[in-house]
Amino acid sequence: DAGVTQSPTHLIKTRGQHVTLRCSPISGHKSVSWYQQVLGQGPQFIFQYYEKEERGRGNFPDRFSARQFPNYSSELNVNALLLGDSALYLCASSFIGQGADEQYFGPGTRLTVT
Amino acid sequence: AQTVTQSQPEMSVQEAETVTLSCTYDTSESDYYLFWYKQPPSRQMILVIRQEAYKQQNATENRFSVNFQKAAKSFSLKISDSQLGDAAMYFCAYRSPHAGGTSYGKLTFGQGTILTVHP
Repeated sequence: DAGVTQSPTHLIKTRGQHVTLRCSPISGHKSVSWYQQVLGQGPQFIFQYYEKEERGRGNFPDRFSARQFPNYSSELNVNALLLGDSALYLCASSFIGQGADEQYFGPGTRLTVT
Repeated sequence: AQTVTQSQPEMSVQEAETVTLSCTYDTSESDYYLFWYKQPPSRQMILVIRQEAYKQQNATENRFSVNFQKAAKSFSLKISDSQLGDAAMYFCAYRSPHAGGTSYGKLTFGQGTILTVHP
């Protein structure tokens, strides 16, 4: 079975631009979470979606938004990019996304803002 | 808010030896879940082991085991018979059991420990 997939793998954007990152969960998983991992640090929680509804939100500005589609894939959007948004963005999928439910992570999208 | 602290930025071990990675956390909750994740240089994060706080028995997965000390809020990972493939960044993570609020399913990660395995 295919694991969690993310696209693109890498991208370079300029300050002020907008970016859309995409994630396809493992088949059968209904929960998708997004994390931001700055180089050398642990991932920081951005959003969680379950059954197409936002169920969790981390401490990120409103420039960050996300959505989950009927097929449970997800998009993370970031507007008005800042240099500090440069990071590895990880997507994780799971059945219900809580408790002891294991989250399976994708390979990530490396975003560089210049 | 819960916090997770990994006080060892880097650790090293000889192949076939045993190494222990430390993790402490702060929470006011009595029930929760703890995880150790491994992130190799290829970047894909994978689950190593998990522990439910209500279980007194320490979790074990093959060469990986934990020492869960609930009163001390400590959750260390022991890797026995270390292999070259164990080299990676290791993250300790906490998850609240509560489904409500903005923390639904949220994993709170520590800063990570880089493990080097010497042949």
